[in-house]
Formats: sequence, structure tokens, C-alpha cells
Amino acid sequence: ETGVTQTPRHLVMGMTNKKSLKCEQHLGHNAMYWYKQSAKKPLELMFVYNFKEQTENNSVPSRFSPECPNSSHLFLHLHTLQPEDSALYLCASSQANGGVNPFREKLFFGSGTQLSVL
Amino acid sequence: DQQVKQNSPSLSVQEGRISILNCDYTNSMFDYFLWYKKYPAEGPTFLISISSIKDKNEDGRFTVFLNKSAKHLSLHIVPSQPGDSAVYFCAASEGTTSGTYKYIFGTGTRLKVLA
Repeated sequence: ETGVTQTPRHLVMGMTNKKSLKCEQHLGHNAMYWYKQSAKKPLELMFVYNFKEQTENNSVPSRFSPECPNSSHLFLHLHTLQPEDSALYLCASSQANGGVNPFREKLFFGSGTQLSVL
Repeated sequence: DQQVKQNSPSLSVQEGRISILNCDYTNSMFDYFLWYKKYPAEGPTFLISISSIKDKNEDGRFTVFLNKSAKHLSLHIVPSQPGDSAVYFCAASEGTTSGTYKYIFGTGTRLKVLA
């Protein structure tokens, strides 16, 4: 399998549930990202990991908890979500090379998990 | 406040004609720009990029133009084909020493190419 794989593709959960989103990349990249896409809003960066270390937390509420056990896997643990958290959650990976690089690596996205919170 | 803006939510173009999608940014530290295309039920896929050291980059039917003084970039598709119908996202990033780049995306423009 190649590319970035996200599971599940669709998820419906109640506000009291606990669920996890999974992302796996088969590209040999060392950086992984979670983005949120809500209707009529830009893709919002949530978290960034580089070599399993979190390098960015974009003021995300604590009901979203990321986990990156290795450079190939990324999870997003969800608990006590709100209906406004319903969105498409996209995982991405890239080859981070640090520094100022005018030709830096692009992001490769998975197909996303469409989340509905009831 | 949005740092990357795509002010046209949708655009319709006749097949064979030119499609021009626009993007404006406010952060003068952005020095690398990308365009992504997204079909329904799929993740965004990379289309073309441009560094701030260039003002034009071309790849087949796709050309991206960068006007740094105006903080504006545009994507030209010529000739447009029905398969180009998708949502196009503009993204920007700035240099960092952390090893990873913070890509900021616009809201997207839905392009519809009419046969």
C-alpha cells in the first residue's frame, strides 16, 4: 500500500463517546500533520510532529489528543466532542528537512475522516 | 485573521478556455507557495508550487505566477478540461528552523469546467 491512509473514512459519535482516528504513511516521511476542514473555512492546522516529537499545537482544545508512536503512524484521540467539531479531519505527511529551504517538500494528504458529532 | 485568502468561492469556465484562480496573502514572511486540488471524498493532492525567488513556474497546462509586491499569486490552467473541475486550495509557508513547515491554507475555489 502506498501514500497516506486514514481510517475510518466516516465516523459518527455522540458527545460522550471516545474514539480515535488513525493515519499511516508509507512514504518514508518524517513529519506528520493533522488538519481540520470545516465547511467554508480554510484547512486549519491542528498538530505537527517531526520524528515523533510534537513541534506545533495550534491552540487546539484538549478534547483532541494526538499521539505519534513512530514516524509512520499518527492518531487523534477524541473525547467529549461538541457538534461544532464535526468536520473532515485530514492527515498529511512530508519530508521535513529543516532550515530555510526555497524548494521545501510538499504535503501528501490522506482521504480524510468525515466526523459527525451528534 | 486569515493570512491566505481566496476571495472567489467558485468559478465556471468553458472547456478549452483559460481558468485563472487567485490567492492573496498578508504575511510578508511567506516564501513558498503551493496549489492543491481536491476532488469530493478525496484528500487534497499537490498540483504545483513556487518559491519566492521565482515569479513564474510552469508545469504542463498549469502555471503559477507570483507577485511579491502585491502579495498575490494566481494559478492559470490552459486549456481547461472537464476533469479539472475540483476545489483548488492555495497554501503558503515560511522558513523555519524547527524542521517542519507550517502550511497555511486558503478557503478554496471551486472550479467547474463546462463541456
